[in-house]
This record gives sequence, structure tokens and C-alpha cells, in this order.
Amino acid sequence: DQQVKQNSPSLSVQEGRISILNCDYTNSMFDYFLWYKKYPAEGPTFLISISSIKDKNEDGRFTVFLNKSAKHLSLHIVPSQPGDSAVYFCAASDRSGTYKYIFGTGTRLKVLA
Amino acid sequence: DSGVTQTPKHLITATGQRVTLRCSPRSGDLSVYWYQQSLDQGLQFLIQYYNGEERAKGNILERFSAQQFPDLHSELNLSSLELGDSALYFCASSVAGGNEQYFGPGTRLTVT
Repeated sequence: DQQVKQNSPSLSVQEGRISILNCDYTNSMFDYFLWYKKYPAEGPTFLISISSIKDKNEDGRFTVFLNKSAKHLSLHIVPSQPGDSAVYFCAASDRSGTYKYIFGTGTRLKVLA
Repeated sequence: DSGVTQTPKHLITATGQRVTLRCSPRSGDLSVYWYQQSLDQGLQFLIQYYNGEERAKGNILERFSAQQFPDLHSELNLSSLELGDSALYFCASSVAGGNEQYFGPGTRLTVT
């Protein structure tokens, strides 16, 4: 049972435009959500997180939106840059429980120059 | 550089063999996590240790075991290896449970 889903395996965006990556989850106990970026041959790099008590968190060009009623989160990158080309994973955690992260399968973002 | 180190970077071995993967967490981090990433899959959580004690278990096979030592480094032992165990194995660390995890570069295991 895939509790965290990223239904778009890939996304292409023009440089300077907005990239929107989506993630859905099924477990209502999740209360902490994160986005990681992964380049080839490297480990995932933490990007941004959001607690379930918020619906938006912003860090520079990156904004994460959380819609608890829809069990949906999204990552917005504005403006997109070629260096943003990577695989993006969303992850969810139940911090009242075991703290383990459940990861989605990732979305490969390609930013075209 | 996340500050998490993993050795070896690559490992090629035969079916039925046993291997040990090593992880050193970031300085000050007490929690260590192990993940497996198979081809085109997301990261599957295997196990978490906190300050030497097992804290949470995920989809870890009985053929796999892990431990965290007093100096906080961790080892993941994989035995009776099968072709399907070929994957990237990542270690991550965090200050405590519930905080952002910082990942190492991974160990690529190939079982032939």
C-alpha cells in the first residue's frame, strides 16, 4: 500500500517559469511533510518541510502548500532554473509515532534553458 | 556535503554472500536511519536507531540486521544475498527523531 504517491514520474518546465510538483497521501496520522531533491549519484538533499498545523511554508524560490482536507501537498519552484533539474521526493511522517519517513516514488524535473 | 558518510561507495558480490555497509552520522546527530532504493522505486525505510537503541522498523527483511555503536556510527548487515537485494542503500541522520534527515551519498550494492 503506497501511502505517499507522486503520480507524475516526470515534468518539463521552461527556465524562468513555475514548476509545480504534486504529492498525495492517504494516512491522516501524518503530521510532518518534507521535500527532498536528488541528483544522480548523490543522496537526497533536504529542501523544505511543513508541519500539519500550517498550510504554507516558503523558503526563497521554494514554497510548499499543504491541503489537509484533500491530503495533498505541492512544491512550487519560482522561477525555475536549470540547476533545479533533479528528482524530487516528497516524504511524510507521523511524529507522534515512530518518526519514520514514508517516501513517494519521485518526480523527475527537467528545466529547459 | 551533508556530513553523513557511507562506505563503501560500491559493492559487488555474489548471491549467498554477506556484506556490511557502514554509516557515520553528522556530528551531534543521535538518530540514524537506513533506506533501500531499488530501481525506479522510492526510498523504502528499513530501520532507525536512536542513541544506540532500535527505534523503528520498516520493511526490513529477516536476512538484514543493523546496529548503532557507542560512537553513533551504524552498520547494516545483509546476509544470504539475493539478486533482488541489488539496490542503493542510503543512511540518513538527524539530531533526534522527528527532525529533518540528512542523507549520505549511498552505497550501491550489486549482487551477481
